[in-house]
Amino acid sequence: EVQLVESGGGLVQPGRSLRLSCAASGFTFDDYAMHWVRQVPGKGLEWVSGINWNGGVAYYVDSVKGRFTISRDNAKDSLDLQMNSLRNEDTALYYCVKDSGRFGEILGAFDIWGQGTMVTVSS
Amino acid sequence: DIQMTQSPSSLSASVGDRVTITCRASQGINNYLAWYQQKPGKVPKVLIYAASTLQSGAPSRFSGSGSETDFTLTISSLQPEDVAIYYCQKYNIAPYSFGQGTKLEIK
Repeated sequence: EVQLVESGGGLVQPGRSLRLSCAASGFTFDDYAMHWVRQVPGKGLEWVSGINWNGGVAYYVDSVKGRFTISRDNAKDSLDLQMNSLRNEDTALYYCVKDSGRFGEILGAFDIWGQGTMVTVSS
Repeated sequence: DIQMTQSPSSLSASVGDRVTITCRASQGINNYLAWYQQKPGKVPKVLIYAASTLQSGAPSRFSGSGSETDFTLTISSLQPEDVAIYYCQKYNIAPYSFGQGTKLEIK
């Protein structure tokens, strides 16, 4: 069974850092690009960041550029999101998402979603 | 950046109705358009990709059409289990942004 399990969320003060992780199973992890998508409870979806199969290409939404860093460890089938200088507006449920494109490059369409991990930025 | 605008924001229809949701891109995106369904309390699930290709396992009453800037998601015969929020998403280039969502309810 294809599965993505996020961890690392929690309550953090503005300006602090948090690192999210995603454990993948049930598919050949390094065959696919991966992404983080977030959702404020009761609101819409926002793509945050994506990374290709070997970490050589990464993209970010403008609002997190310079603060967030996406990375992956193919030996451990894991995806991370290092979030620095957190702001109140980063509060959301963060989903780990598998790209549906073949050959490991970023297509930008998503076919498998984790259950999400909640990040709350508040003083 | 390209903006994705869905209409309507919400709609209510009866079981068996034909339902259409539209999505407009502020610039042409070829057919790099996906539709997702998010049922209450659940994670999003892809229904359609490449504007009109039905994802494996998605019910055949769902269909998509359009290209460049104007797209539609159609449910041929609305079922009670289709209550959800539907999102379009562009994926021609980053950022891979979503529409604001269309909330579908049963009358």
